[in-house]
Order: sequence, then structure tokens, then C-alpha cells
Amino acid sequence: RKEVEQDPGPFNVPEGATVAFNCTYSNSASQSFFWYRQDCRKEPKLLMSVYSSGNEDGRFTAQLNRASQYISLLIRDSKLSDSATYLCVVRASGNTPLVFGKGTRLSVIA
Amino acid sequence: NAGVMQNPRHLVRRRGQEARLRCSPMKGHSHVYWYRQLPEEGLKFMVYLQKENIIDESGMPKERFSAEFPKEGPSILRIQQVVRGDSAAYFCASSPGGSPLHFGNGTRLTVT
Repeated sequence: RKEVEQDPGPFNVPEGATVAFNCTYSNSASQSFFWYRQDCRKEPKLLMSVYSSGNEDGRFTAQLNRASQYISLLIRDSKLSDSATYLCVVRASGNTPLVFGKGTRLSVIA
Repeated sequence: NAGVMQNPRHLVRRRGQEARLRCSPMKGHSHVYWYRQLPEEGLKFMVYLQKENIIDESGMPKERFSAEFPKEGPSILRIQQVVRGDSAAYFCASSPGGSPLHFGNGTRLTVT
């Protein structure tokens, strides 16, 4: 079983749509969770950390379910500029390396 | 405050040559991580270093690959006797410790 699994997509959605991505992780001892965004041929950039109580940053909402080892990202009112690959990222503890999923590709269409 | 700086951006090597990739972490960051991304693949961890120490090299191939982070100067990822399968984007990331990682813009290695 892969450490972090994501649906690769692509998700093709019209502008203004709401889209949700899911991710599962295998290491139950994982402590930290993030969503990163990667544009084509660019470096990954931190989108948001994911907290146990769930958290929101503008149009983006992240949820964590530790019991099910499941993380989600919701994007409301999609913009063309949201088109990218979204990477689910997990960390066991402290300074241990981040473990990346392969990413979910999103295309927002005018 | 400059971000994580990687150079070169693009590197072309013939099979059998050496590739040397450099990474200068953000100011104040003493933790450096190297990742590799093959075309259409996810990022794979290679090695984690702190100043003068390799903390975790579990993702690095046992042969031909080495990394260092000296007391002075950038972190270096060295690939000896490159093969076509080494062609990939190599990303360096840094953190001050216990925080999300900040990535450099990567070095794209092409082995011909």
C-alpha cells in the first residue's frame, strides 16, 4: 500500500464550481498534514497546513479524519488560476521528511 | 529574504559524467532536504541533512549518489557516472526545523 494515495484526476471543472480532493495515508503515527500546489514544471508551494479541527483559508477548506486516515481539500468558486496539481503531504513527526502523494490534477475551464 | 536557491536550473550531462547540484537554503534554515521527481511522477524523498550531518539518507540510491551540507556553503547533491534514468527534476527544500518545507525552483537534469 502506498504511503499517501490520491486520485490522479484530472478533474476538469468550470469556473465557479466547487471541487473536492481526497487523500488517504497509511502511517497511523503521522503527525503533520499539508496540501501543496505544484504548477507545471515548477516547484511545490505550500497551500495550507491541515489541522485536526479542520481549517479554512479563503476559498480553501481542509479537513482531517485521523480515525479513517483521510484528508480532504475543498475549493469553492474555482478560478482559472487554481489549475494545478494538488499534492497531499504527510509527515511522521518533527523534522522527518515529508511524504508526498502523486498529486491530483485540476483544470478549471472558462 | 531570498528563498531557497538552486543552481543550475538546467543541467545536461552525457552518460558517465558527473552531475553536481547546489542548494542554498533560506537564511536561518539549517535543515535541508533533497527530493527527486521523475516525469509524471510524485516527489520522492532522497536525503535529509543538517549542517555537516546526514540525518536520513534512506531514499538515496546506495551507489553513485552522495550529498553533503558543509559548515560553510551550499548543500551539494552529487551524482557520479550518470545514466539516462537519472534524468529528472531535483528539488531542494529547507526549514528552520519543525515547519513546512520551502522548496527551491529545482534543477532539471537531462542525461544524453
